[in-house]
Amino acid sequence: NAGVTQTPKFQVLKTGQSMTLQCAQDMNHEYMSWYRQDPGMGLRLIHYSVGAGITDQGEVPNGYNVSRSTTEDFPLRLLSAAPSQTSVYFCASSYYRGYEQYFGPGTRLTVT
Amino acid sequence: AQKVTQAQTEISVVEKEDVTLDCVYETRDTTYYLFWYKQPPSGELVFLIRRNSFDEQNEISGRYSWNFQKSTSSFNFTITASQVVDSAVYFCALSNYKLTFGKGTLLTVNP
Repeated sequence: NAGVTQTPKFQVLKTGQSMTLQCAQDMNHEYMSWYRQDPGMGLRLIHYSVGAGITDQGEVPNGYNVSRSTTEDFPLRLLSAAPSQTSVYFCASSYYRGYEQYFGPGTRLTVT
Repeated sequence: AQKVTQAQTEISVVEKEDVTLDCVYETRDTTYYLFWYKQPPSGELVFLIRRNSFDEQNEISGRYSWNFQKSTSSFNFTITASQVVDSAVYFCALSNYKLTFGKGTLLTVNP
């Protein structure tokens, strides 16, 4: 049981490049979400999903896309990277909304 | 909109002291859930506790205890006899469909 896995762990992008952060969970959780963590800001919700095929925006969705084609996977796409997207990104999953979320190890992204 | 306020940005204590981390929340929902997470220097996020809005019982787990008071919209966390290993950033969070985090409190426990 690997829990929540994220790849890559580190990534450097140039402004304007696109990329996908991968997230997978093997706990059969319905609820998955993406957060970004910036110094002094706590964690802010980017997008979340309550099940396969259903996604919704969080607090800071601009510049990011998500899709949920399977229960296990919830990739986060950066469409055109900007320096303001330099951050640590965490993926999380939970059995259902309102239950404790289990977090992946994070991806540290730098956009130059 | 929901909001979580952790007014203490940083706290520094000496080992064996008791320390309380404050958390105040705002929500219009009658059903909601409160959480505390720990983020040690290694960076991972560790779940500590979950409370629903209908359960105001305080909880104790070893050296950790939580005080939930709906009347003051607070969900405070106390560490008794702190240890160096308790040094971390602690986040309070509030959830209905979306999980909203406070900005965190950096706790440093000095030997």
